Amino acid sequence: ELKVEQNPLFLSMQEGKNYTIYCNYSTTSDRLYWYRQDPGKSLESLFVLLSNGAVKQEGRLMASLDTKARLSTLHITAAVHDLSATYFCAVDSNNAGNMLTFGGGTRLMVKP
Amino acid sequence: DAGVIQSPRHEVTEMGQEVTLRCKPISGHDYLFWYRQTMMRGLELLIYFNNNVPIDDSGMPEDRFSAKMPNASFSTLKIQPSEPRDSAVYFCASIPQGENIQYFGAGTRLSVL
Repeated sequence: ELKVEQNPLFLSMQEGKNYTIYCNYSTTSDRLYWYRQDPGKSLESLFVLLSNGAVKQEGRLMASLDTKARLSTLHITAAVHDLSATYFCAVDSNNAGNMLTFGGGTRLMVKP
Repeated sequence: DAGVIQSPRHEVTEMGQEVTLRCKPISGHDYLFWYRQTMMRGLELLIYFNNNVPIDDSGMPEDRFSAKMPNASFSTLKIQPSEPRDSAVYFCASIPQGENIQYFGAGTRLSVL
């Protein structure tokens, strides 16, 4: 059974600081997704990582994938309050984009 | 496009009642997914369809749950009879053939009293 673990589960940080969220998974996969969820809202796609060494950046967020280590990271640079949300990673267990197993989520709070 | 549309947005029902959740995927999307989100278990894939055909329902918790997709623009998730432990947010998502990103609906928050 595929397991996807994120840490930390909760992160409180000051504006302007940097931090990294980690996503470990237990089986071979070349596809990993990051989603954002605001409280009471739906999930919004942030990044799709499709190969070992893939790196994607959007604004203050950068995601990377190491398939050999079965690890993805979501790095936050100079956090701002608007980044406060829950971030989920999801692993595609059949490399076809349609069997996603989600991590437990990291709830990020950025304080002014 | 209006995105994935789910209805109702909120549903409150009593234990033992039948509940039907509805989803309209994005036009042209071939895959449709039903997920459940709870604090205890996180986000779980329940079932997914490809071209209206159920492909994997291994996540459906038990026989009380059933899902149908009678055509490319409509799917239902039914719980009969409902139980308090079914209380959750149920999301529907869709994706076109050959693409990678699943587009999620706004969800249905179900409370079973």
